[in-house]
Amino acid sequence: EVQLAESGGGLVQPGGSLRLSCAASGFTFSTHAMSWVRQAPGKGLEWISGITADGVHTKNADAVKGRFTISRDNSRNTLFLQMDSLRAEDTAVYYCSKQLWGVGAIDFWGQGTLVTVSP
Amino acid sequence: EIVMTQSPATLSVSAGERATLSCRASQSINSKIAWYQQKPGQAPRLLIFGASTRATGIPARFSGNGSGTEFTLTISSLQSEDFAVYYCQHYDNWPHTFGQGTKLEI
Repeated sequence: EVQLAESGGGLVQPGGSLRLSCAASGFTFSTHAMSWVRQAPGKGLEWISGITADGVHTKNADAVKGRFTISRDNSRNTLFLQMDSLRAEDTAVYYCSKQLWGVGAIDFWGQGTLVTVSP
Repeated sequence: EIVMTQSPATLSVSAGERATLSCRASQSINSKIAWYQQKPGQAPRLLIFGASTRATGIPARFSGNGSGTEFTLTISSLQSEDFAVYYCQHYDNWPHTFGQGTKLEI
């Protein structure tokens, strides 16, 4: 059974940092591209960051460029999102997501972790 | 960045009726579009990828169509469990942007 378990969310002050982790199991982690998607309270889905299966190539959305860094450790089946210089508008549920092999569509999502940026 | 525009924002229909949701891309996306369903308090669920391929376990009443920049998701006979928010997403190139969503309500 595929499982994606996010952790690391919480309350942080503006300008602060958080590191999200996503522990993956139930599939061959090293062969799948992964993404982080967020959802602000009452709002829609926002793709924010992606990484190839081998971790060589990454991409951030403009909204988080220069502040967030996606990475992965295939030996530990774990995806990360380092979030720096956090702003109030970064408040959201952050979902770790697995992409279909060879296809960019997301076929499995974690349950999400809430990040709240507030004084 | 490719912009995905969904319409309508809200669609009111009755159980048993057909619902058609639309998604337009700002440029051609080579049919690299997915549709997701999200219910309150839950993570999204993949319905359709490649414009028309149903994901594993998705009922046949869900179908996707389209090409180029215009795409539709059709639910042929609405069941009570289908009332939710639906999102399209392209994955032709990074960033894999989402549409703003269509809320399907009774």
